[in-house]
Amino acid sequence: DGGITQSPKYLFRKEGQNVTLSCEQNLNHDAMYWYRQDPGQGLRLIYYSQIVNDFQKGDIAEGYSVSREKKESFPLTVTSAQKNPTAFYLCASSREAGSYEQYFGPGTRLTVT
Amino acid sequence: QKEVEQNSGPLSVPEGAIASLNCTYSDRGSQSFFWYRQYSGKSPELIMSIYSNGDKEDGRFTAQLNKASQYVSLLIRDSQPSDSATYLCAVNRVNRDDKIIFGKGTRLHILP
Repeated sequence: DGGITQSPKYLFRKEGQNVTLSCEQNLNHDAMYWYRQDPGQGLRLIYYSQIVNDFQKGDIAEGYSVSREKKESFPLTVTSAQKNPTAFYLCASSREAGSYEQYFGPGTRLTVT
Repeated sequence: QKEVEQNSGPLSVPEGAIASLNCTYSDRGSQSFFWYRQYSGKSPELIMSIYSNGDKEDGRFTAQLNKASQYVSLLIRDSQPSDSATYLCAVNRVNRDDKIIFGKGTRLHILP
């Protein structure tokens, strides 16, 4: 089955700890994205990557970091510098950088206390 | 003005009726418009995309686009309880990075 997987589904961390969220796709899509969603809010773009070994900041990149060493994988690290890390994190991909149709993984719900 | 605006709802519609969801956007250069459905606690699912003025139909769903009025809508015919979800409108923002910007969504509740 082709699709996007994110793990884990739920993640709990103590304040001050870095945490890495996994995102893997087997759709052979070039572009990948990370969003966060807060209750009652729209999706906000954190980072995106249009091709392997390249990524760009989105609207709210502060306190986050990413890597894109393989086409299939786009992990997101939430660092201790992120002031309000508790949120629902969504990974998405699109066929190519110029394609706007994005397909989402199931998401990771991060709680930091 | 917000880049993508939607009424947050909830919008309550009787089962079998037509649900009408609306979205306005601020970037006159936008060319690509999407509707996503998001069930509570789940990730968004792409249900419709529209690129030209007019109507686009797919099963019980019809997307309508009016670029002159900067308005896009989603009609759901013969509404079912399983249509109860939050519907997100998404638009490409040409005036910045040409990335997709999402509205906050409209909660739709279909009354059995």
